[in-house]
Amino acid sequence: ETGVTQTPRHLVMGMTNKKSLKCEQHLGHNAMYWYKQSAKKPLELMFVYNFKEQTENNSVPSRFSPECPNSSHLFLHLHTLQPEDSALYLCASSQALDGPLHFGNGTRLTVT
Amino acid sequence: GENVGLHLPTLSVQEGDNSIINCAYSNSASDYFIWYKQESGKGPQFIIDIRSNMDKRQGQRVTVLLNKTVKHLSLQIAATQPGDSAVYFCAENQRGATNKLIFGTGTLLAVQP
Repeated sequence: ETGVTQTPRHLVMGMTNKKSLKCEQHLGHNAMYWYKQSAKKPLELMFVYNFKEQTENNSVPSRFSPECPNSSHLFLHLHTLQPEDSALYLCASSQALDGPLHFGNGTRLTVT
Repeated sequence: GENVGLHLPTLSVQEGDNSIINCAYSNSASDYFIWYKQESGKGPQFIIDIRSNMDKRQGQRVTVLLNKTVKHLSLQIAATQPGDSAVYFCAENQRGATNKLIFGTGTLLAVQP
């Protein structure tokens, strides 16, 4: 049990579909993050939320839309994705913005 | 792990030996460093961190060494076990930055029984 739970674990979607990824952290942390992990590339930061407010958008295309209703939950809404968006999407949380990140096990997304 | 596969630097060690995984960082303003372990099918797991006011920090079976002069970080694992087989990432963060950790591409540690 990582303390950060992501659902679903696997998702296959067509380019015209709309889907959402969910993340929940049980650690009492204040900051939450979305990262993208592609094969042979370092982890890429996508979004940062601190106390429900977005503090970072790392030039992510608008087909990815994050939502953070409270400090424990984070969503990533997906629409009209491209095949190159296929990757492992990792959620993380931290107590403070300068503390270590705790990751979930990710959602493996395949766009067909 | 999801980033395991071709082209990752690989370190192969015998069970019971000590392992040393190295990482070079480029930003001299970085002042916080973390090592993560990623097993197959799982997310990265925090192992140990170190701030730039230290040059060594020890955990359970792991030691992180920081050499700021040459911008080098290493992770030492004592008495390596098969369960240590995974991809290991170092990450760096700059003082005052909003946790914009910069991750390396990782090193695959393969423990031979």
